[in-house]
Amino acid sequence: GAVVSQHPSWVICKSGTSVKIECRSLDFQATTMFWYRQFPKQSLMLMATSNEGSKATYEQGVEKDKFLINHASLTLSTLTVTSAHPEDSSFYICSATVGAGEVNEQFFGPGTRLTVL
Amino acid sequence: GQNIDQPTEMTATEGAIVQINCTYQTSGFNGLFWYQQHAGEAPTFLSYNVLDGLEEKGRFSSFLSRSKGYSYLLLKELQMKDSASYLCAGLDSNYQLIWGAGTKLIIKP
Repeated sequence: GAVVSQHPSWVICKSGTSVKIECRSLDFQATTMFWYRQFPKQSLMLMATSNEGSKATYEQGVEKDKFLINHASLTLSTLTVTSAHPEDSSFYICSATVGAGEVNEQFFGPGTRLTVL
Repeated sequence: GQNIDQPTEMTATEGAIVQINCTYQTSGFNGLFWYQQHAGEAPTFLSYNVLDGLEEKGRFSSFLSRSKGYSYLLLKELQMKDSASYLCAGLDSNYQLIWGAGTKLIIKP
C-alpha cells in the first residue's frame, strides 16, 4: 500500500517559537495532501487542503498566516506552526491522495504530536 | 449543515460480534468510509461504500443505506487488538471527507 511519513513524530517547543512538520508520500506522487488536527478524544479536524504548486485552501477558522503550508513537490508538503502557543498543542496528521476530482482513499501519515510549553 | 453521528463508546466481549452505527447528512454524497484509529496513531482505512448493501472483508463488514443516510461497521470474532476508535466519514459533493467524532470500542476478555 501507499506509505506516507511524517517528521518529526514528537516535538516539544517553547511558546513563541515556530515548528515545521514534514509530510512525505514515499512510494507514490500525491496530487493532494491534507492537514488535520486532532485534540484528545475528538475527531479529525481538517485544517487545509494543498495541491502541488498552488496555494493551500484553508478551512474556516484556520489562520493561514499562523499555519503556513508549502506543497513544493508531489511528494512533500510542510506545515509550519508559527509563533506556537500552548493552545496549539495537538496531534497533527497529514494525508495524501492520488488523483483529483474522484473518490480516492486517503493515506495517512503517522502523525506528529506537538506540545507547546 | 453537514453532520456525522456515531456512538461515543461501545463495549463488547472478546470473540463476540459488535455493530457500530453511523448516520450521515452531507451536501451531496460520494461514499462513506470507515477508519480504525488506535490511541496515539493515525487512522487506517477499513472500508468504502458507495452503493447500498453489505461489503464483507474478512472479520469486518460495512453496510450502507443511502435512502436512510445510514451505515454500520460489523466486527466479528472480536479480538483484543480490535480495541480502538472507529471513525465514520462521509464524502460530500466536493469530495471532501466529513468526519464523525469516532466510536471508542472497548473489548473485554
